[in-house]
Amino acid sequence: IAGITQAPTSQILAAGRRMTLRCTQDMRHNAMYWYRQDLGLGLRLIHYSNTAGTTGKGEVPDGYSVSRANTDDFPLTLASAVPSQTSVYFCASSLNGQGGWYGYTFGSGTRLTVV
Amino acid sequence: AQTVTQSQPEMSVQEAETVTLSCTYDTSESDDYLFWYKQPPSRQMILVIRQEAYKQQNATENRFSVNFQKAAKSFSLKISDSQLGDAAMYFCAYRSAFVSGANSKLTFGKGITLSVRP
Repeated sequence: IAGITQAPTSQILAAGRRMTLRCTQDMRHNAMYWYRQDLGLGLRLIHYSNTAGTTGKGEVPDGYSVSRANTDDFPLTLASAVPSQTSVYFCASSLNGQGGWYGYTFGSGTRLTVV
Repeated sequence: AQTVTQSQPEMSVQEAETVTLSCTYDTSESDDYLFWYKQPPSRQMILVIRQEAYKQQNATENRFSVNFQKAAKSFSLKISDSQLGDAAMYFCAYRSAFVSGANSKLTFGKGITLSVRP
């Protein structure tokens, strides 16, 4: 792989079920992010991780959890899905440090429908 | 708090014409990174152009250029010689150059849908 891989591409999930969205990068980027995209609202940050072993909350963290056990993987878990979590989810990564910043590399997104 | 505003939800342009997409941002910082991303129907997020706020010169990438007005905190994207493949949603995004914790993130506008008429 080259870049960021997200899985699954799409999913229909029954309300109340637990779901983990997977995100793996092979660029050795130190920072990773999860966003949700909803029409008319743009992309909103759910959780982020500036380096392996650390995570932080974004603007819409409720109902979601993340872990960052290593540099490459940053899974997003919905503990008990609700219909309002129907959205397109993007994982992204970046190399944070000195010498300029060049933005995100994005995964291809996961379309999640909670019914 | 950082906010990014794209006030026009939709725009349309005739093929081969020029269109400008507007974006403003609100921050107390002075050294920033500004981006435009394109999202075609494939859903993939594609970097269009990047601007470092401390640089006087506006960034240009082929048919895409920015008009960066630092004092006005305005960062508009001009697309010249519009092509059918330019039809997409465009997002403006901002990040401070001085980051810690959650400030390492990009803040996005709500996006604008650009259609191109043949």
